[in-house]
Amino acid sequence: NAGVTQTPKFRILKIGQSMTLQCAQDMNHNYMYWYRQDPGMGLKLIYYSVGAGITDKGEVPNGYNVSRSTTEDFPLRLELAAPSQTSVYFCASSYSGTSGRAVATGELFFGEGSRLTVL
Amino acid sequence: RKEVEQDPGPFNVPEGATVAFNCTYSNSASQSFFWYRQDCRKEPKLLMSVYSSGNEDGRFTAQLNRASQYISLLIRDSKLSDSATYLCVVIRNPSASKIIFGSGTRLSIRP
Repeated sequence: NAGVTQTPKFRILKIGQSMTLQCAQDMNHNYMYWYRQDPGMGLKLIYYSVGAGITDKGEVPNGYNVSRSTTEDFPLRLELAAPSQTSVYFCASSYSGTSGRAVATGELFFGEGSRLTVL
Repeated sequence: RKEVEQDPGPFNVPEGATVAFNCTYSNSASQSFFWYRQDCRKEPKLLMSVYSSGNEDGRFTAQLNRASQYISLLIRDSKLSDSATYLCVVIRNPSASKIIFGSGTRLSIRP
Protein backbone atom coordinates (compact mmCIF):
# COMPACT_ATOMS: atom_id res chain seq x y z
CA ASN A 1 0.00 0.00 0.00
CA ALA A 2 1.24 3.48 -0.83
CA GLY A 3 -0.85 4.98 2.00
CA VAL A 4 -1.76 8.64 1.45
CA THR A 5 -0.18 10.29 -1.57
CA GLN A 6 -0.16 14.04 -2.08
CA THR A 7 0.90 15.93 -5.16
CA PRO A 8 2.60 18.24 -5.80
CA LYS A 9 5.13 18.33 -2.97
CA PHE A 10 6.13 21.92 -3.74
CA ARG A 11 4.45 24.69 -5.69
CA ILE A 12 4.88 28.43 -6.13
CA LEU A 13 1.81 30.37 -7.24
CA LYS A 14 1.26 33.96 -8.19
CA ILE A 15 -1.50 35.93 -6.52
CA GLY A 16 -4.81 35.24 -8.22
CA GLN A 17 -3.80 31.92 -9.76
CA SER A 18 -5.74 28.75 -9.07
CA MET A 19 -4.57 25.22 -8.48
CA THR A 20 -5.63 21.85 -7.16
CA LEU A 21 -3.76 19.83 -4.57
CA GLN A 22 -4.29 16.15 -5.18
CA CYS A 23 -4.73 13.55 -2.45
CA ALA A 24 -5.25 9.85 -2.92
CA GLN A 25 -5.35 6.96 -0.47
CA ASP A 26 -5.36 3.23 -1.19
CA MET A 27 -6.41 1.98 2.24
CA ASN A 28 -10.16 2.10 1.57
CA HIS A 29 -10.58 4.71 4.30
CA ASN A 30 -13.90 6.47 4.25
CA TYR A 31 -12.81 9.56 6.18
CA MET A 32 -10.48 12.09 4.59
CA TYR A 33 -9.22 15.48 5.78
CA TRP A 34 -7.35 18.52 4.59
CA TYR A 35 -5.27 20.53 7.07
CA ARG A 36 -2.99 23.50 6.69
CA GLN A 37 -0.03 24.24 8.92
CA ASP A 38 1.55 27.67 9.02
CA PRO A 39 5.17 27.99 10.24
CA GLY A 40 5.49 27.27 13.96
CA MET A 41 1.78 26.61 14.30
CA GLY A 42 -0.51 23.65 14.68
CA LEU A 43 -2.80 22.11 12.10
CA LYS A 44 -6.00 23.84 11.08
CA LEU A 45 -8.80 21.78 9.56
CA ILE A 46 -9.90 23.11 6.18
CA TYR A 47 -12.44 20.54 4.96
CA TYR A 48 -13.25 16.94 5.67
CA SER A 49 -15.28 14.14 4.16
CA VAL A 50 -16.91 11.10 5.70
CA GLY A 51 -17.45 9.34 2.40
CA ALA A 52 -17.85 9.75 -1.33
CA GLY A 53 -20.22 12.58 -2.15
CA ILE A 54 -20.13 14.05 1.38
CA THR A 55 -17.96 16.99 2.43
CA ASP A 56 -18.09 19.48 5.28
CA LYS A 57 -16.32 22.63 6.36
CA GLY A 58 -13.64 22.65 9.00
CA GLU A 59 -12.16 25.57 10.92
CA VAL A 60 -10.71 27.57 7.99
CA PRO A 61 -12.61 26.74 4.76
CA ASN A 62 -12.62 30.19 3.16
CA GLY A 63 -10.72 30.34 -0.13
CA TYR A 64 -10.86 26.57 -0.68
CA ASN A 65 -13.14 24.01 -2.23
CA VAL A 66 -13.18 20.23 -2.15
CA SER A 67 -14.93 17.36 -3.83
CA ARG A 68 -15.14 13.66 -3.08
CA SER A 69 -16.34 11.78 -6.11
CA THR A 70 -14.58 8.54 -5.14
CA THR A 71 -13.48 6.92 -1.89
CA GLU A 72 -9.85 7.19 -2.93
CA ASP A 73 -9.52 10.83 -3.98
CA PHE A 74 -10.04 14.09 -2.11
CA PRO A 75 -8.67 17.05 -4.10
CA LEU A 76 -8.38 20.53 -2.58
CA ARG A 77 -8.98 23.47 -4.91
CA LEU A 78 -7.54 26.94 -4.31
CA GLU A 79 -9.27 29.65 -6.27
CA LEU A 80 -7.67 33.10 -6.54
CA ALA A 81 -4.59 32.29 -4.47
CA ALA A 82 -3.58 34.84 -1.83
CA PRO A 83 -0.34 35.23 0.17
CA SER A 84 -2.27 34.21 3.29
CA GLN A 85 -2.61 30.75 1.77
CA THR A 86 1.15 30.20 1.89
CA SER A 87 1.38 27.13 4.08
CA VAL A 88 2.05 23.43 4.24
CA TYR A 89 -1.02 21.41 3.37
CA PHE A 90 -1.54 17.93 4.76
CA CYS A 91 -4.09 15.43 3.57
CA ALA A 92 -5.07 12.64 5.93
CA SER A 93 -7.36 9.65 5.99
CA SER A 94 -8.91 7.54 8.71
CA TYR A 95 -11.02 4.43 9.05
CA SER A 96 -14.26 4.12 10.93
CA GLY A 97 -14.86 1.70 13.76
CA THR A 98 -16.28 -1.76 13.36
CA SER A 99 -19.22 -1.36 15.69
CA GLY A 100 -21.64 -0.81 12.85
CA ARG A 101 -21.77 2.92 13.43
CA ALA A 102 -19.05 4.88 11.68
CA VAL A 103 -16.98 6.86 14.15
CA ALA A 104 -13.72 8.71 13.88
CA THR A 105 -11.06 6.61 15.57
CA GLY A 106 -8.57 9.44 15.92
CA GLU A 107 -5.79 7.63 14.09
CA LEU A 108 -5.07 9.70 11.04
CA PHE A 109 -2.73 8.61 8.29
CA PHE A 110 -1.06 11.63 6.74
CA GLY A 111 0.48 12.34 3.41
CA GLU A 112 3.94 13.91 3.33
CA GLY A 113 2.56 17.40 2.80
CA SER A 114 2.44 19.93 0.00
CA ARG A 115 4.41 23.15 0.48
CA LEU A 116 2.65 26.03 -1.22
CA THR A 117 4.04 29.55 -1.59
CA VAL A 118 1.91 32.37 -2.97
CA LEU A 119 3.86 35.40 -4.17
CA ARG B 1 -11.54 30.81 23.30
CA LYS B 2 -9.85 28.18 21.13
CA GLU B 3 -11.36 24.74 21.15
CA VAL B 4 -8.02 23.13 21.96
CA GLU B 5 -5.09 24.97 23.55
CA GLN B 6 -1.52 23.96 24.29
CA ASP B 7 1.49 25.69 25.80
CA PRO B 8 3.67 26.28 22.71
CA GLY B 9 6.93 25.91 24.65
CA PRO B 10 9.63 25.39 23.78
CA PHE B 11 10.43 23.05 26.61
CA ASN B 12 14.19 22.60 26.77
CA VAL B 13 15.21 19.82 29.16
CA PRO B 14 18.33 17.68 29.69
CA GLU B 15 18.47 14.09 28.58
CA GLY B 16 17.09 11.78 31.27
CA ALA B 17 14.71 14.38 32.68
CA THR B 18 11.00 13.96 33.13
CA VAL B 19 8.83 16.46 31.32
CA ALA B 20 5.08 16.97 31.22
CA PHE B 21 2.77 19.21 29.29
CA ASN B 22 -0.95 19.77 29.13
CA CYS B 23 -3.63 20.42 26.59
CA THR B 24 -6.91 22.06 27.54
CA TYR B 25 -10.16 21.75 25.65
CA SER B 26 -13.18 23.99 25.80
CA ASN B 27 -16.06 21.71 24.93
CA SER B 28 -17.10 19.53 27.83
CA ALA B 29 -18.84 17.17 25.41
CA SER B 30 -15.51 16.16 23.86
CA GLN B 31 -15.20 12.41 23.90
CA SER B 32 -11.94 11.18 22.40
CA PHE B 33 -8.39 12.38 22.94
CA PHE B 34 -5.01 11.62 21.42
CA TRP B 35 -1.38 12.73 21.35
CA TYR B 36 0.48 13.06 18.07
CA ARG B 37 4.16 13.62 17.47
CA GLN B 38 5.51 15.75 14.62
CA ASP B 39 9.16 15.88 13.65
CA CYS B 40 10.51 18.97 11.91
CA ARG B 41 9.08 19.34 8.40
CA LYS B 42 7.39 15.95 8.60
CA GLU B 43 3.80 14.80 8.84
CA PRO B 44 2.26 14.15 12.29
CA LYS B 45 2.07 10.59 13.53
CA LEU B 46 -0.09 9.10 16.25
CA LEU B 47 1.80 8.70 19.52
CA MET B 48 -0.95 7.36 21.77
CA SER B 49 -4.61 7.50 22.60
CA VAL B 50 -5.73 8.93 25.94
CA TYR B 51 -8.09 6.79 27.95
CA SER B 52 -10.28 7.92 30.83
CA SER B 53 -8.34 5.81 33.31
CA GLY B 54 -4.97 7.00 32.06
CA ASN B 55 -2.57 4.84 30.08
CA GLU B 56 1.12 4.15 29.65
CA ASP B 57 3.23 3.18 26.69
CA GLY B 58 6.79 2.63 27.80
CA ARG B 59 8.20 5.98 28.96
CA PHE B 60 5.04 7.84 27.98
CA THR B 61 2.00 8.33 30.21
CA ALA B 62 -1.21 10.03 29.12
CA GLN B 63 -3.88 11.27 31.51
CA LEU B 64 -7.35 12.74 31.10
CA ASN B 65 -8.95 15.10 33.60
CA ARG B 66 -12.55 15.61 32.56
CA ALA B 67 -13.43 17.82 35.51
CA SER B 68 -10.78 20.38 34.57
CA GLN B 69 -10.99 19.61 30.86
CA TYR B 70 -7.40 18.85 30.07
CA ILE B 71 -5.20 15.99 28.95
CA SER B 72 -1.56 15.58 29.81
CA LEU B 73 1.50 13.81 28.45
CA LEU B 74 4.36 12.77 30.71
CA ILE B 75 7.67 11.63 29.28
CA ARG B 76 10.09 9.91 31.64
CA ASP B 77 13.83 9.38 31.12
CA SER B 78 13.72 11.62 28.06
CA LYS B 79 15.91 10.77 25.07
CA LEU B 80 17.43 13.01 22.44
CA SER B 81 15.10 11.33 19.96
CA ASP B 82 12.08 12.66 21.88
CA SER B 83 12.79 16.14 20.51
CA ALA B 84 9.73 16.98 18.45
CA THR B 85 6.48 18.89 18.55
CA TYR B 86 3.67 17.17 20.42
CA LEU B 87 0.14 17.85 19.25
CA CYS B 88 -3.00 17.03 21.13
CA VAL B 89 -6.12 15.98 19.28
CA VAL B 90 -9.69 16.25 20.51
CA ILE B 91 -12.72 14.69 18.91
CA ARG B 92 -15.89 16.30 20.14
CA ASN B 93 -18.25 13.77 18.67
CA PRO B 94 -16.81 10.67 17.01
CA SER B 95 -19.81 10.28 14.72
CA ALA B 96 -19.32 13.84 13.50
CA SER B 97 -15.76 12.98 12.48
CA LYS B 98 -14.39 16.48 12.96
CA ILE B 99 -10.86 16.12 14.29
CA ILE B 100 -9.27 19.24 15.81
CA PHE B 101 -5.57 19.63 16.58
CA GLY B 102 -3.96 21.78 19.20
CA SER B 103 -1.22 24.16 18.13
CA GLY B 104 1.51 21.91 19.49
CA THR B 105 4.16 22.00 22.20
CA ARG B 106 7.79 22.03 21.09
CA LEU B 107 10.14 19.83 23.10
CA SER B 108 13.91 19.96 22.80
CA ILE B 109 16.08 17.48 24.68
CA ARG B 110 19.69 18.56 25.20
CA PRO B 111 22.62 16.19 25.83
